[in-house]
Amino acid sequence: GAGVSQSPSNKVTEKGKDVELRCDPISGHTALYWYRQSLGQGLEFLIYFQGNSAPDKSGLPSDRFSAERTGGSVSTLTIQRTQQEDSAVYLCASSLGLAAEYNEQFFGPGTRLTVL
Amino acid sequence: GQQVMQIPQYQHVQEGEDFTTYCNSSTTLSNIQWYKQRPGGHPVFLIQLVKSGEVKKQKRLTFQFGEAKKNSSLHITATQTTDVGTYFCAGPHTGGFKTIFGAGTRLFVKA
Repeated sequence: GAGVSQSPSNKVTEKGKDVELRCDPISGHTALYWYRQSLGQGLEFLIYFQGNSAPDKSGLPSDRFSAERTGGSVSTLTIQRTQQEDSAVYLCASSLGLAAEYNEQFFGPGTRLTVL
Repeated sequence: GQQVMQIPQYQHVQEGEDFTTYCNSSTTLSNIQWYKQRPGGHPVFLIQLVKSGEVKKQKRLTFQFGEAKKNSSLHITATQTTDVGTYFCAGPHTGGFKTIFGAGTRLFVKA
């Protein structure tokens, strides 16, 4: 596709359930980012993948959060045992990632997660 | 830790008035980016500044990067209702590609 896609667009789940959020980056982009945005707030960095390098997981808020990126393309963010405070919009972005001057990030439409 | 701070948090203007948002980093940045997020939308890249003292213009938008590469500003001349949204600045974390976003300035424009 032409842009970053994310699925599902909306997810409603019950507290304690696991959820998986998917991101399809722009083809050829080596860098992929996950962010969390609570209502009316800024972007909270979660995790960053760059090519085959070990991901930067420094933003993951707890061990309930994990992410993987298979084949350097599609990424999945998994939240285990969801809590109400996990409710937010989860945004994925990708960039060429080759050097600092190619760090323009292209964002997907996000997944709105609601934990009841 | 490294922080990127943005002020003001909100700005209400009358259509036709000017608007400025300011971004300050706790550390020197190799570059700074600006994004716009319309209500209900996702952030969209506006511009990247790299050089000390750099000034770039996009129609009514003027972006500046400070001499010390620790601050930046976005100025909109004669705002229009289409300028409504939240403007974020973002800079790279020292030593890596992780990006740190400011909290954003939300612009409201009254027609």
